[in-house]
Order: sequence, then C-alpha cells, then structure tokens
Amino acid sequence: AQTVTQSQPEMSVQEAETVTLSCTYDTSESDYYLFWYKQPPSRQMILVIRQEAYKQQNATENRFSVNFQKAAKSFSLKISDSQLGDAAMYFCAYRSRNTGNQFYFGTGTSLTVIP
Amino acid sequence: ETGVTQSPTHLIKTRGQQVTLRCSSQSGHNTVSWYQQALGQGPQFIFQYYREEENGRGNFPPRFSGLQFPNYSSELNVNALELDDSALYLCASSLPGLAAYNEQFFGPGTRLTVL
Repeated sequence: AQTVTQSQPEMSVQEAETVTLSCTYDTSESDYYLFWYKQPPSRQMILVIRQEAYKQQNATENRFSVNFQKAAKSFSLKISDSQLGDAAMYFCAYRSRNTGNQFYFGTGTSLTVIP
Repeated sequence: ETGVTQSPTHLIKTRGQQVTLRCSSQSGHNTVSWYQQALGQGPQFIFQYYREEENGRGNFPPRFSGLQFPNYSSELNVNALELDDSALYLCASSLPGLAAYNEQFFGPGTRLTVL
C-alpha cells in the first residue's frame, strides 16, 4: 500500500517570508498524482496544487510551487510571500493513476504565520 | 453551482448506537468518497461510490456502509459505534468519470463524538 509521510508536524513562518513543507511517499507505481491540500480551521479541505508524476516540470500556482523529486519520492511545497491567510493544516496526498479511487494522505503539517 | 454540503455539523452518540451522516455532492458530480479524519491525523479513505455502486473500499469493517442516491447525494452509516469512531467525517465529490486526476471537492465535515 502507498504511504505518505510528513515529518514536520508544525512549522512557522514570518509574514512575507518563504516556507517549505516536506512530504515523502512510498509507492511501487510509476504513474500517479500528488497533491497538496489546505485545511483551514473552518475544516473545509481546499486543493492548493497538484503534480502529475510523468511531468518533470514542477507545478506552480501563484505563490505556491512544488519541488518534485520522483527518484527520491519527495514532493515538497514552497509558499512564497507568506500571508496570514496561509495559516492552516497542509496535507500531502497521493493518488494512483491506475486505481485512482482513493487518496492517501499524510498526517499533516500545521503552518503558523507570524505577523 | 453549490458546493459539497454535509449534515449534521456535529453529532454525539453513545457506544453501540447507529449513526447516519449525509452528503450532497457538488452539482454535476457523480462520484463521492468518504473519509475518516481522527484528531491530529490525515483523512483515511473509507469507500467511494460511483453511479450508486461502491467503487473501492479502504480498511474499514463492514459496520461502515454507504449509499448513493440517483441525485448523487450519499449517506454514510456506521453501526455498533465504538469510541474510536470519534472523528471528523469528510465527504468529497468528483467530476464525472473515474480519471484519477479529477479534483476532489471536500465538504466541511461532520464531527462525530462517541461517548
């Protein structure tokens, strides 16, 4: 079974600074998708960014970008110019392309943004 | 276009009771997944329904069951509640089709407490 590991239970960043959240995963598959989801205190999970494993180019969405290292099975999230609204739990998730009916989530990283 | 909604928001039950949680999918979505999120953990996949049929199940006992209705709304039923069933239950709907890349849209969740 696939496993997703987030080794940083908590992180903090000064407003306007950059922070990187780490994620590693374990899989024997070669074709899959990776996601970062944000869960604010309101609880509703929101997709932040996604990456297709067959694409070498790292995904970018405005202030959010990823560093995808397929050989190392690493998928980190970089948040630039951090804003107070970025404070939330961040979950890394894996989804198989072949049996894509479930996401495997990590345990999450709680991000605090310091004004 | 309305988002994913869940009811109730909070629920308190006692051990041995049965509970039904409800989810209304986002308009046009025919796939719904249910997740259990224990405190301090990432969501764990319970099962998925596609066109009213179960389409994949995680490592949950049979006392966790579900239904999907013709309008694609869904129910999660849990029988013989145990203390460890206390968690946030998330529903997520997806666009038509089973393409693994489809984004899952999450509801706000139902907080279940079992005493």
